[in-house]
Amino acid sequence: EDQVTQSPEALRLQEGESSSLNCSYTVSGLRGLFWYRQDPGKGPEFLFTLYSAGEEKEKERLKATLTKKESFLHITAPKPEDSATYLCAVQAKADSNYQLIWGAGTKLIIKP
Amino acid sequence: KAGVTQTPRYLIKTRGQQVTLSCSPISGHRSVSWYQQTPGQGLQFLFEYFSETQRNKGNFPGRFSGRQFSNSRSEMNVSTLELGDSALYLCASSFLGQHGAGYTFGSGTRLTVV
Repeated sequence: EDQVTQSPEALRLQEGESSSLNCSYTVSGLRGLFWYRQDPGKGPEFLFTLYSAGEEKEKERLKATLTKKESFLHITAPKPEDSATYLCAVQAKADSNYQLIWGAGTKLIIKP
Repeated sequence: KAGVTQTPRYLIKTRGQQVTLSCSPISGHRSVSWYQQTPGQGLQFLFEYFSETQRNKGNFPGRFSGRQFSNSRSEMNVSTLELGDSALYLCASSFLGQHGAGYTFGSGTRLTVV
């Protein structure tokens, strides 16, 4: 069964303290892996797409990487405004309906 | 550029009632997908409409239904509400609806069933 697991469930960091969020997946052929950010009271906002192992994408203090079994979202020198829930989703090649399978998210809190 | 608009933002309903939620997608987007989000769960896919036709459906009971109008606006209906239906309902619009990077989400409707 296709599955996406995110860890940790919650992460508290001091401003400037770098860390990584994990998204592990089991899917029969990866079409794409997507990272979204969700702020309280809002819908998810797209961050990155990764398609193949070894691929990396960067945006400001965030960098997403992909292996054959997992993806990491690295956050470097975070600021309080980076506080949000980060969601990971995968799309399987075998799924002709192109459905996304979502992880439960990691709630990131950056303390000033 | 206007975003995805969901109305109402909050709803409180009683068990057994029915509810209709509305989603207006970004202008030009023909695909609208609906998701249920509950604490500790990932987003659960309800269904997708494309050009007024339901193209995909998730594993939800028949109490959950939807439709899409010719202007791409979509409505979702839940009949015979249960306590477990309390959730944030999100809609996402996209041009084609088949790529996970192309979704723009609304802010959601928070449904509480009492």
